[in-house]
Amino acid sequence: SQTIHQWPATLVQPVGSPLSLECTVEGTSNPNLYWYRQAAGRGLQLLFYSVGIGQISSEVPQNLSASRPQDRQFILSSKKLLLSDSGFYLCAASLRASYGYTFGSGTRLTVV
Amino acid sequence: AQSVTQPDIHITVSEGASLELRCNYSYGATPYLFWYVQSPGQGLQLLLKYFSGDTLVQGIKGFEAEFKRSQSSFNLRKPSVHWSDAAEYFCAVGIRGKLIFGQGTELSVKP
Repeated sequence: SQTIHQWPATLVQPVGSPLSLECTVEGTSNPNLYWYRQAAGRGLQLLFYSVGIGQISSEVPQNLSASRPQDRQFILSSKKLLLSDSGFYLCAASLRASYGYTFGSGTRLTVV
Repeated sequence: AQSVTQPDIHITVSEGASLELRCNYSYGATPYLFWYVQSPGQGLQLLLKYFSGDTLVQGIKGFEAEFKRSQSSFNLRKPSVHWSDAAEYFCAVGIRGKLIFGQGTELSVKP
């Protein structure tokens, strides 16, 4: 079974600072990878997904970007954080939909 | 556009009472259907999933869900709620490789 590692667990960053959140997957190869954001009191919004190395699809226009430098590594970045980037960020992986989707434990980002 | 609707934002039930959380989806075909649970500050845990076949699906922790094609619904049920079930519950649909979530239902359990 696949395991997802996300770090850090919590992060407090000033407005205008850069961001890099990392997600790594164990126990599988060539998974589809996803970044979700959960704003306070709201559901989960799909931000990016990737079907392979270097292949990134963006679901919503925003201040964030994603990269997949290796098969099991997915990175969420920003050059300059905004207050509205605060939220709970979750990485997910799936080999195929019928196998389900596995989620990491998330990163709580607070932009101050 | 595809969407997932959880009409109840917050539900409170007494411990030992039965529970039903509603979920409706809007999509041309039958998508893959999921229910996840999230404890405060934690990631998501899969409760159950439906792809095809028997429309009543059994999951972990005593949960079950019933798929009703005519109503485009996938409601989650539990016959007797425990205090540890207090959490946020998300319905999701898998469409073309992407998992789309509803807004979630927060469940509180009274002693």
